[in-house]
Amino acid sequence: ETGVTQSPTHLIKTRGQQVTLRCSSQSGHNTVSWYQQALGQGPQFIFQYYREEENGRGNFPPRFSGLQFPNYSSELNVNALELDDSALYLCASSQGLPGEKLFFGSGTQLSVL
Amino acid sequence: GESVGLHLPTLSVQEGDNSIINCAYSNSASDYFIWYKQESGKGPQFIIDIRSNMDKRQGQRVTVLLNKTVKHLSLQIAATQPGDSAVYFCAEIDYGQNFVFGPGTRLSVLP
Repeated sequence: ETGVTQSPTHLIKTRGQQVTLRCSSQSGHNTVSWYQQALGQGPQFIFQYYREEENGRGNFPPRFSGLQFPNYSSELNVNALELDDSALYLCASSQGLPGEKLFFGSGTQLSVL
Repeated sequence: GESVGLHLPTLSVQEGDNSIINCAYSNSASDYFIWYKQESGKGPQFIIDIRSNMDKRQGQRVTVLLNKTVKHLSLQIAATQPGDSAVYFCAEIDYGQNFVFGPGTRLSVLP
């Protein structure tokens, strides 16, 4: 176990709704990254937070947003859900500066109907 | 853009044999690479990493080889066991210090 916990584990939403996914980083880790993993594909980088500031963003639209809190826990928010947003959302934390190895949680499986 | 890819999407090996999983990368400036293992219903699990100032690194039953000349990375698993069945991803660090993942290789261990 990595010590990275995500909630909820599964979620079903309808198109157009909004969703918030939560992540608790491993103790001592100050960087959190979010990834989207479609079925049968590798994780795709959404964004990263380092010390509560966004530190990089992948090719995702602005309706994907995030927060990192002083205790280094994090949220991923997705507005105006689309069918293609159905995927496994993974949170990963790392220690020290960005670019260190990532430790992943088990993910939140989001289904958009 | 930069990409990380794998030569083989699936690999089947006999239990006890050695496995070799390959990965090609295109960012010649990448200086850090990681192999992850993902089992069904779980997040990726760190296996082994290597920095660009090395060409080989060994762990417990696993070895990673890095060939910077041809931009190729491989993961060798010795004496493959049923518990090794999973999808394996290579990941490289990009210019923004974020990790880019390849599409993955599914390893199936046959009894």
